[in-house]
Parts: sequence; C-alpha cells; structure tokens
Amino acid sequence: EAEVAQSPRYKITEKSQAVAFWCDPISGHATLYWYRQILGQGPELLVQFQDESVVDDSQLPKDRFSAERLKGVDSTLKIQPAELGDSAMYLCASSLDPGGGATDTQYFGPGTRLTVL
Amino acid sequence: AQTVTQSQPEMSVQEAETVTLSCTYDTSESDYYLFWYKQPPSRQMILVIRQEAYKQQNATENRFSVNFQKAAKSFSLKISDSQLGDAAMYFCAYRSAFSGGGADGLTFGKGTHLIIQP
Repeated sequence: EAEVAQSPRYKITEKSQAVAFWCDPISGHATLYWYRQILGQGPELLVQFQDESVVDDSQLPKDRFSAERLKGVDSTLKIQPAELGDSAMYLCASSLDPGGGATDTQYFGPGTRLTVL
Repeated sequence: AQTVTQSQPEMSVQEAETVTLSCTYDTSESDYYLFWYKQPPSRQMILVIRQEAYKQQNATENRFSVNFQKAAKSFSLKISDSQLGDAAMYFCAYRSAFSGGGADGLTFGKGTHLIIQP
C-alpha cells in the first residue's frame, strides 16, 4: 500500500541553526499538508498546497518558516533560525483531491521529530 | 474558528470490553466532516472513521462506531471488543465542508490515550 514518506525521522539541532524536512506524498495526490504536533497536543495545520500552489498558510510563522512544493510533487519545510519552542513532531499528509467524498481522506506520514537544544 | 475538545486525556479498558471516547466541537457552520484518527506509538496516524454532518445515520466500521449528536455538537467513538492493537492516541478532528479557496486542513482535539488491559 502506498504511503507518505518523510525524512529524516529524527533531527536534533541547536537553536539558531537551520533545519529542513522533506515529504513525498502518495503518488497522484494533488493536496499536501504540513502539520506541527507539540508533545501532548493534537496536530495543527501549518500549510496546505494544492499542486504547487499554497492554499492556506495562515498559521505558518513566516518570519522563520518556509515551505515549497516546486513541481507539485514532493515538498520541503524549512525553519531558519530554529528556536527552542520549535521542538515538535512535523507531520506531512496528502489527499487525492479536496472537496469532499472518499477522495478527500488525508493520509499521514510517520513524521519528523525535531529537538532543538 | 472551530474548536475540538477531548475531555478524557486517558482511558483504560479491559481487553474484549467496550469503551467510548468523547469529543465535542464548536462551530457555527451547518455542514462539515468529523473524523477519528488513531496514532499508535511511533507510527503514523491513520483514519479510523468519518462522519458527514448532513447524514443522520451514525457511521460504523467493523468494531468502531460513532454516536453523532449534531444539536449537542458531540461526536463520540465506541470501540467494541477492544483488542491490544487498539492501544494508541485517538484524535477527534473537524473539517469544514465549505472552505475558501480549497483550504481544508483538519482541526484536531488534544487526543485521548487509550490503554488496553490484557
């Protein structure tokens, strides 16, 4: 069964350093999401792409976070500079097509656990 | 903005018994979708069950069923014949049916940690 791939699975960095996370959605999925999950909390949406376009980045801290999906397939989420409060699990999800129905189910990757020292 | 509340941080149930996880939500919208996701330790989140708000019939998936009370804005998950493999974090999530520009990110609750006692 096809899955959402993410790398790295774990990342430890020092504050003020730059970090990047990669996500490869399920083949053919047009919509890609990045969520942040702080320990003990539910995931919160950071950014949503439809193909290569940003649909929603209202919760993305744009002073330090950036996201891209240049060819409408895989995506990179970057943090520069990292802060202690950025320690969290970063989840990527994809769906076939938004708009309701069975095709809008979001499938999640295993996540990247970031620790900022 | 919509909010989702899970008031049970942790629940414990004996294997083969039935357990119900609670979820309430707040919205001014009339049409939306509700979901329960399962997140096993160190594994990815997977969809357990979904409910369309316009459907009065409660969704069921094998041992999993929901009790959807639209007027009360309540969406509980019942797990029958609990198995050891059901142990996980369970998250209730909301998605608007009418999102501007195609934005359809999920709003999650804080989760309930389900423990299965053998």
